[in-house]
Amino acid sequence: NAGVTQTPKFQVLKTGQSMTLQCAQDMNHEYMSWYRQDPGMGLRLIHYSVGAGITDQGEVPNGYNVSRSTTEDFPLRLLSAAPSQTSVYFCASRLHGTGTNQPQHFGDGTRLSIL
Amino acid sequence: AQSVSQHNHHVILSEAASLELGCNYSYGGTVNLFWYVQYPGQHLQLLLKYFSGDPLVKGIKGFEAEFIKSKFSFNLRKPSVQWSDTAEYFCAVHTGRRALTFGSGTRLQVQP
Repeated sequence: NAGVTQTPKFQVLKTGQSMTLQCAQDMNHEYMSWYRQDPGMGLRLIHYSVGAGITDQGEVPNGYNVSRSTTEDFPLRLLSAAPSQTSVYFCASRLHGTGTNQPQHFGDGTRLSIL
Repeated sequence: AQSVSQHNHHVILSEAASLELGCNYSYGGTVNLFWYVQYPGQHLQLLLKYFSGDPLVKGIKGFEAEFIKSKFSFNLRKPSVQWSDTAEYFCAVHTGRRALTFGSGTRLQVQP
């Protein structure tokens, strides 16, 4: 009963490096999303996906890429890390459903520091 | 676009005190409302949710929230807090869009 699994839990990068944050869920959820959590800002939506092969931008998409080749996986890529991307990143998933009343399940988060 | 405001950024209470955290949203249509909690070092968990029906909803760990449509509010309450309630609390709104909009969070510190 894994739920939403994020890896790694912690990562330190140098400015300009690239990396991929992994997110996987085993609940057959159609909808997956990435948020970043910054002090005083709450959670802000980066990208989301309503199913395999479909992705869309959220509130703060710049500097991030996503893909959704399978239902289970939704990786988040930083192509050239910047200090402004230092944050805690949460992946979430839920059933798409016919309405908007499905609660989201969150991963444990990835704490990312860019030096 | 919808927005969510949590006016209390940091609340400090003694054990057994009553708690009320404010949450206001701006959206004129039908909303679904959530409170999430994040305990230190842990991931976000759903505390309670409102979809329709009775505007007073009860969640886990003795929390409840009241939806007041005329005030666009969904305040979180607990009659008597415990030290273990120390956490950050996020209000969230779900509308016709496909993602949640979160408030900025309220950090609750309960002193023994």
